[in-house]
Amino acid sequence: QKEVEQNSGPLSVPEGAIASLNCTYSDRGSQSFFWYRQYSGKSPELIMSIYSNGDKEDGRFTAQLNKASQYVSLLIRDSQPSDSATYLCAVTRSYNTDKLIFGTGTRLQVFP
Amino acid sequence: EAQVTQNPRYLITVTGKKLTVTCSQNMNHEYMSWYRQDPGLGLRQIYYSMNVEVTDKGDVPEGYKVSRKEKRNFPLILESPSPNQTSLYFCASSYPPGRLETQYFGPGTRLLVL
Repeated sequence: QKEVEQNSGPLSVPEGAIASLNCTYSDRGSQSFFWYRQYSGKSPELIMSIYSNGDKEDGRFTAQLNKASQYVSLLIRDSQPSDSATYLCAVTRSYNTDKLIFGTGTRLQVFP
Repeated sequence: EAQVTQNPRYLITVTGKKLTVTCSQNMNHEYMSWYRQDPGLGLRQIYYSMNVEVTDKGDVPEGYKVSRKEKRNFPLILESPSPNQTSLYFCASSYPPGRLETQYFGPGTRLLVL
């Protein structure tokens, strides 16, 4: 079992729709969770961090965390073609909070 | 401008020829890290450094060396590159160590080992 799992996609949504990206993790003691966006050929860019159960909103982005289910998600409202990218979920291990473990990413395509 | 720089950006080399990929940051960050990114495997940490002269292995350290003699620089050394080290490499830095939400990534170095 991978430590951080994401569906590779592509996830295709029409412009203006809500895109829902999901991530599960195996370390029950993980405390820190991050979503990165990576455009093709570019470096990852942090878009959200979340540390406690519930929702965290930042503009069109909402991160959701459920530690009991070991599940973290990212919602993108009013999706735009410029949101088309690969979204990486990253988690810290319970026994080493200085290291990030990344999922393989979900490719999102937003079509006009 | 706050940034992490890597050089070279692209490199083609042959098996066994030692190479160094440089990484430099201008943000006075204590924490620096190297990752490699491969299709289907995602980003995996190679080495990281909590401060000058303090380095530790990540998840895939085999075949790599690092050094941290100055706070701003964290070079990645491949003593004897092999084809399985063909990959996209990213350097990253953050402050303070553990505050990974401040992590900045460099632009990446694409390496091909023949």
